[in-house]
Amino acid sequence: KAGVTQTPRYLIKTRGQQVTLSCSPISGHRSVSWYQQTPGQGLQFLFEYFSETQRNKGNFPGRFSGRQFSNSRSEMNVSTLELGDSALYLCASIQGGGTGELFFGEGSRLTVL
Amino acid sequence: AQKVTQAQTEISVVEKEDVTLDCVYETRDTTYYLFWYKQPPSGELVFLIRRNSFDEQNEISGRYSWNFQKSTSSFNFTITASQVVDSAVYFCALSEGETGANNLFFGTGTRLTVIP
Repeated sequence: KAGVTQTPRYLIKTRGQQVTLSCSPISGHRSVSWYQQTPGQGLQFLFEYFSETQRNKGNFPGRFSGRQFSNSRSEMNVSTLELGDSALYLCASIQGGGTGELFFGEGSRLTVL
Repeated sequence: AQKVTQAQTEISVVEKEDVTLDCVYETRDTTYYLFWYKQPPSGELVFLIRRNSFDEQNEISGRYSWNFQKSTSSFNFTITASQVVDSAVYFCALSEGETGANNLFFGTGTRLTVIP
């Protein structure tokens, strides 16, 4: 059974640019969550999507957005990048709509110069 | 407000020693879930356990065991006879409410180093 796949794994951007990260959940999983991990702030919840609808959103500025497609794949976008957006972005999937075991991908490491 | 505290930033033990990782949480909800995750150098978070607030039974899985005590708001994790492969960062996390779903609040993590 394939795990959660995140692309790209590594990327470098400059301030002011935008970036799109992709997450393919485990087959059959309908919920996808995104987390940001930084040395200073640790792991922080960004948002969660279930059946193409955003169900929960963390405390991040509007520059951070996401969406989910009908095949449950999800993308997150960060516009007008800032140095502080450098982080490991982790995606997790869960089978149903409730609370259960989150399966995480290996993450996309974004460096903003 | 919810909060998860892992007071131990780093722990080093010699292989085969037992080690306990502490986790203290705060929540106003009566229904909540607690988790432990392991993060090896590869970066992905590996699920270890999930506990709901109504189940205070301790759990043992091989060399791993968990002690959940609502009276002290603690959910501690013990590794028995540690091995080098246990070296990783371990995170405790909290999810609130019946529909808290996948909004996890993580602690700051404890970096465990097992010395051969």
